[in-house]
Amino acid sequence: DIQMTQSPSLLSASVGDRVTLSCKASQNIYKYLNWYQQKLGEAPKLLIYYTNSLQTGIPSRFSGSGSGTDFTLTISSLQPEDVATYYCYQYNSGWTFGGGTKLELK
Amino acid sequence: EVQLVESGGGLVQPGRSLKLSCVASGFTFSNYGMNWIRQAPGKGLEWVAYISSGSSYIYYAETVKGRFTISRDNAKNTLYLQMTSLRSEDTALYYCARQEQLRYWGQGVMVTVSS
Repeated sequence: DIQMTQSPSLLSASVGDRVTLSCKASQNIYKYLNWYQQKLGEAPKLLIYYTNSLQTGIPSRFSGSGSGTDFTLTISSLQPEDVATYYCYQYNSGWTFGGGTKLELK
Repeated sequence: EVQLVESGGGLVQPGRSLKLSCVASGFTFSNYGMNWIRQAPGKGLEWVAYISSGSSYIYYAETVKGRFTISRDNAKNTLYLQMTSLRSEDTALYYCARQEQLRYWGQGVMVTVSS
């Protein structure tokens, strides 16, 4: 089974900061990786699919990159509404979520 | 508008059974694979099960294999999850989500396994 490891588990940043979240796969998943945002009390929302494709309606400050085993979600300028937990998800072989990164305001 | 509405959750004793439903609308249900995903209180997301559009392909997480059964009724636009031999560790919010990037999710239904 493919394991997904996200780091850090908790990230504190200020409004306007450039924020980078990491996701590592235990084996090559090519680009079969999505990112989801989950705000408190809500269902997860798709942000990025196939590593770097922005879901319709998602602000352009969100971007994704990577391939193989190392992936990154970047928020170019953090906004208050971005406070949430972010999950990566691989679908190359089976389906696996990472443990999540909780993003809070400093 | 795509909508997924789960139901059937509740409080159940360990070892007992429960069946969840997810009613879909706003798209052609029979064209899409569907998933169940769960989230234990205060924890992360865990993929549980997948069923293809015509029910030909079904997969389960190891944690539920042999105890849970995913099924669907395309005529009723409804996805099901039959859960048996429930354990305390099955306590979670259960979401249904449409395959194809998990672009659409329901609001979730809570299952609590406790004596």
